Amino acid sequence: GIQVEQSPPDLILQEGANSTLRCNFSDSVNNLQWFHQNPWGQLINLFYIPSGTKQNGRLSATTVATERYSLLYISSSQTTDSGVYFCIPYTGGFKTIFGAGTRLFVKA
Amino acid sequence: DAGVIQSPRHEVTEMGQEVTLRCKPISGHNSLFWYRQTMMRGLELLIYFNNNVPIDDSGMPEDRFSAKMPNASFSTLKIQPSEPRDSAVYFCASSITSGGYNEQFFGPGTRLTVL
Repeated sequence: GIQVEQSPPDLILQEGANSTLRCNFSDSVNNLQWFHQNPWGQLINLFYIPSGTKQNGRLSATTVATERYSLLYISSSQTTDSGVYFCIPYTGGFKTIFGAGTRLFVKA
Repeated sequence: DAGVIQSPRHEVTEMGQEVTLRCKPISGHNSLFWYRQTMMRGLELLIYFNNNVPIDDSGMPEDRFSAKMPNASFSTLKIQPSEPRDSAVYFCASSITSGGYNEQFFGPGTRLTVL
């Protein structure tokens, strides 16, 4: 099955800093989703992005499916951005594989 | 829309007891997924349904686990008998799966503690 690798595994930012999170995947995908799991455990949809770039406020995501990676950009980070960020690449079937995620802590 | 609804939000039970977790997917969604999250194993897909039919239950850990989807608006995950190692957060997610589109939306989860 598809392998998902997210980097960095852990990240500490000072509030206001920018960051890029990366998701590498081993097989061709027809779609990809980014989630944020907040400190209370809720899984929140960020982006559903098969290719190209999408932006939502301070966050944006870029997927380059031909090169098997996706990037999540966080600009002007806030303490509420803390939590774990997951990507799920979809290969066309129903099966979904979560990576280990990137754990982010934003300091005030 | 109310989003995916799960109940109960928290469950504490004793080893050997039967546990039933419930999920109501988003209206109109045709796929439903059950996940388990633990510190050791992260998020794991247990089973998924499409149009109320179980498609793949290979992620179900043991025969003690069973899942049903009697109709498009309700699913259950049952553990019988429960064991302490079943303690985890169980998430339900739903999606519209059509022509390669399958964006998933997660419920708030059920935190299960088996003593």
